[in-house]
Amino acid sequence: GQQLNQSPQSMFIQEGEDVSMNCTSSSIFNTWLWYKQEPGEGPVLLIALYKAGELTSNGRLTAQFGITRKDSFLNISASIPSDVGIYFCAGMNYGGSQGNLIFGKGTKLSVKP
Amino acid sequence: NAGVTQTPKFRILKIGQSMTLQCTQDMNHNYMYWYRQDPGMGLKLIYYSVGAGITDKGEVPNGYNVSRSTTEDFPLRLELAAPSQTSVYFCASSPRTGALGYTFGSGTRLTVV
Repeated sequence: GQQLNQSPQSMFIQEGEDVSMNCTSSSIFNTWLWYKQEPGEGPVLLIALYKAGELTSNGRLTAQFGITRKDSFLNISASIPSDVGIYFCAGMNYGGSQGNLIFGKGTKLSVKP
Repeated sequence: NAGVTQTPKFRILKIGQSMTLQCTQDMNHNYMYWYRQDPGMGLKLIYYSVGAGITDKGEVPNGYNVSRSTTEDFPLRLELAAPSQTSVYFCASSPRTGALGYTFGSGTRLTVV
């Protein structure tokens, strides 16, 4: 089946640093989503991307939908302690079965004050 | 609005016992999903439903059953619990157009001993 490779697996950074993580796939998607999961909670949608090449921002977060439709990246600028959590990418091909949101394995972010 | 509500939050089962994980949503979403999350493995789809009376298998359905008698509720049943089912279970829902992203519950942490 389809798989997403998300990297890095974990990051330990200093408060104020910028963060970059990415997701690649062997097959194409027509939607990329980025979620954040905090301890003891379910994932929460951060950014949704619907078009190849699209660049979308949400506050300090910026995500891009790769031109090849097989990759996406998420950047966080000027990190703060509350950015701690696990970030998941997810790819989807909507219009067919609704059971096809594929998740990466996550990037665990730790921010040192 | 409550969003997606899951109960219980924690449960310990003995091998061979059965239980039902409850999920209800108040957003009038047609689509509902059950995922399991194992450490470092992302989220795997167990079952999903595109509307009341309709369910379908996801990637890892063995050992589980679901039903969808109403739009609001989507319970997940474990008939004969096994240690391999120790995991965190997340229920999610989405509107008819799944590309808007999923809303997740806060999870049920299940341990089978």
